[in-house]
Amino acid sequence: DGGITQSPKYLFRKEGQNVTLSCEQNLNHDAMYWYRQDPGQGLRLIYYSQIVNDFQKGDIAEGYSVSREKKESFPLTVTSAQKNPTAFYLCASRPRSGISGNTIYFGEGSWLTVV
Amino acid sequence: KQEVTQIPAALSVPEGENLVLNCSFTDSAIYNLQWFRQDPGKGLTSLLLIQSSQREQTSGRLNASLDKSSGRSTLYIAASQPGDSATYLCAVGSLLRVQGAQKLVFGQGTRLTINP
Repeated sequence: DGGITQSPKYLFRKEGQNVTLSCEQNLNHDAMYWYRQDPGQGLRLIYYSQIVNDFQKGDIAEGYSVSREKKESFPLTVTSAQKNPTAFYLCASRPRSGISGNTIYFGEGSWLTVV
Repeated sequence: KQEVTQIPAALSVPEGENLVLNCSFTDSAIYNLQWFRQDPGKGLTSLLLIQSSQREQTSGRLNASLDKSSGRSTLYIAASQPGDSATYLCAVGSLLRVQGAQKLVFGQGTRLTINP
């Protein structure tokens, strides 16, 4: 079945460590997104990518980095510069903008906790 | 800057009731509006998408309306069931300058509980 796979589901990070969250989609979607969700709050955009080898900062990009070397993959690295990384991270994808009625699809999310 | 607000933050109703969830936004220049469902600890599932030129969309027991001029959208759930218990999120879409990318601004959600 087509969909978005995020891994790992749960991740623990020590102070000063970089960690990478994986996101893979087999929907042949062009655009991919990373969102962060804090308890009881809506989602906030971290990074997005419209095409391979290109990505743009969202509203809260500081302390995060991404790459888009393949259409189906958009990994997110949470660096040690991110001071409050404990959150629920959601990856999403959608077809190229302009297709009538296109919607966005989300993965199941990854929980990151700083220990 | 677009801001999206959902009221109430939580709602508990008996099974079988019809109910309305509210979403308001500050900038009427939107591309689309989506309603999502989120179960605890899970990702989001898209329920309905309304393009800016549309007034409403329906799917089964769900009906979403859009009034851009007043900056409001409502999600109507008919004949509620315990399985409808979840958090419902509203998101307003806008087009970004970069290659026609879309950005979603989310509300904080309404946590809905349907009591048997």
